[in-house]
Amino acid sequence: GAVVSQHPSWVICKSGTSVKIECRSLDFQATTMFWYRQFPKQSLMLMATSNEGSKATYEQGVEKDKFLINHASLTLSTLTVTSAHPEDSSFYICSASSGRASETQYFGPGTRLLVL
Amino acid sequence: GQNIDQPTEMTATEGAIVQINCTYQTSGFNGLFWYQQHAGEAPTFLSYNVLDGLEEKGRFSSFLSRSKGYSYLLLKELQMKDSASYLCAVKDSNYQLIWGAGTKLIIKP
Repeated sequence: GAVVSQHPSWVICKSGTSVKIECRSLDFQATTMFWYRQFPKQSLMLMATSNEGSKATYEQGVEKDKFLINHASLTLSTLTVTSAHPEDSSFYICSASSGRASETQYFGPGTRLLVL
Repeated sequence: GQNIDQPTEMTATEGAIVQINCTYQTSGFNGLFWYQQHAGEAPTFLSYNVLDGLEEKGRFSSFLSRSKGYSYLLLKELQMKDSASYLCAVKDSNYQLIWGAGTKLIIKP
């Protein structure tokens, strides 16, 4: 149990385009989903936390207008990188938990974004 | 401030045992997690400790001492596939997960 999927796994796009990444919890209801970014050989960096049906909470320094998060259902959250630039190239990983405060976060396989 | 400390890198031999330490200073404590992350992949959950003591799960065990702000992950009978980064994370009083930078474990034949 506790499987989280992400789509797509790889994205290559031109500078200025927008990219949408989907995160789904396949076998449990994810009240809370998290979006992380990880640059090569660096640690995970939390970007935002989203609760189903409410606005996402962004970490300091993360532009909410650039990284749009929608958590419309208990099994789906999306991250849209708007007007992507080469510096946005990174490994984007979502995780999900069932929402109880002590619950474990289970991670999706990640999405590699390369902006040319 | 909140802080999670773990060694940057460790090396061990195939078949041996290795212990990866993690010390933490957080505002409150609501559990400690260990994750494994292979290069280029997302983290996978290994263990969760909220009470003091040792939790054993196959070749992996995790220990917690809340009074000392200390945990370790013990890996036995090391295999080459155990080469990965091991991430320690603590949930603080707000149930926010605070991440360590990870320990890169290199297994040599």
